[in-house]
Amino acid sequence: DVKVTQSSRYLVKRTGEKVFLECVQDMDHENMFWYRQDPGLGLRLIYFSYDVKMKEKGDIPEGYSVSREKKERFSLILESASTNQTSMYLCASSLGGDSNQPQHFGDGTRLSIL
Amino acid sequence: AQSVAQPEDQVNVAEGNPLTVKCTYSVSGNPYLFWYVQYPNRGLQFLLKYITGDNLVKGSYGFEAEFNKSQTSFHLKKPSALVSDSALYFCAVRTNSNYQLIWGAGTKLIIKP
Repeated sequence: DVKVTQSSRYLVKRTGEKVFLECVQDMDHENMFWYRQDPGLGLRLIYFSYDVKMKEKGDIPEGYSVSREKKERFSLILESASTNQTSMYLCASSLGGDSNQPQHFGDGTRLSIL
Repeated sequence: AQSVAQPEDQVNVAEGNPLTVKCTYSVSGNPYLFWYVQYPNRGLQFLLKYITGDNLVKGSYGFEAEFNKSQTSFHLKKPSALVSDSALYFCAVRTNSNYQLIWGAGTKLIIKP
């Protein structure tokens, strides 16, 4: 089974802090994704990566950056955290190539910015 | 614009009855359609997908979904609901030219004993 591990289940940070969310997958997947989930809005894509050191902006990249130095790890960075970034953050991975492969998700990080 | 609609925020079903969770989509090109389930405080789990071929696809936990091209729908169904099916269900669509999934807002399914 694919395992996608997010480093923290719950995180509380202060406004203005730089926040790092880490995600590791163990199935050699090419594609990795960061989403945020808010009630009534479904999942919104922040960034995705289809290869090491490659990244593409999703629908809501403002205020975020990402890093993919190794294939198995995809980090999401909140450059200067703000209260409107309080949310559930979900990481996912999928095989590359054909776009019909399902995404596999971690259990999420519930981030609160005070 | 490409979109996915899940018209019901919540669906209530009695245990043992059939259930349907609705999904309609609007994309250009051939769609790849997916259903995912999210249990409380967990990530999303893949249930089933339609890529091509038979319009009725079967997935995990006894769920199935029917692709209807003329109605641009992909409704999730189960013949007999279990209390343990209570969760949040998401429909998503992608075309063959894009890695990105377009997500519905989710439907909360409540199965009452």
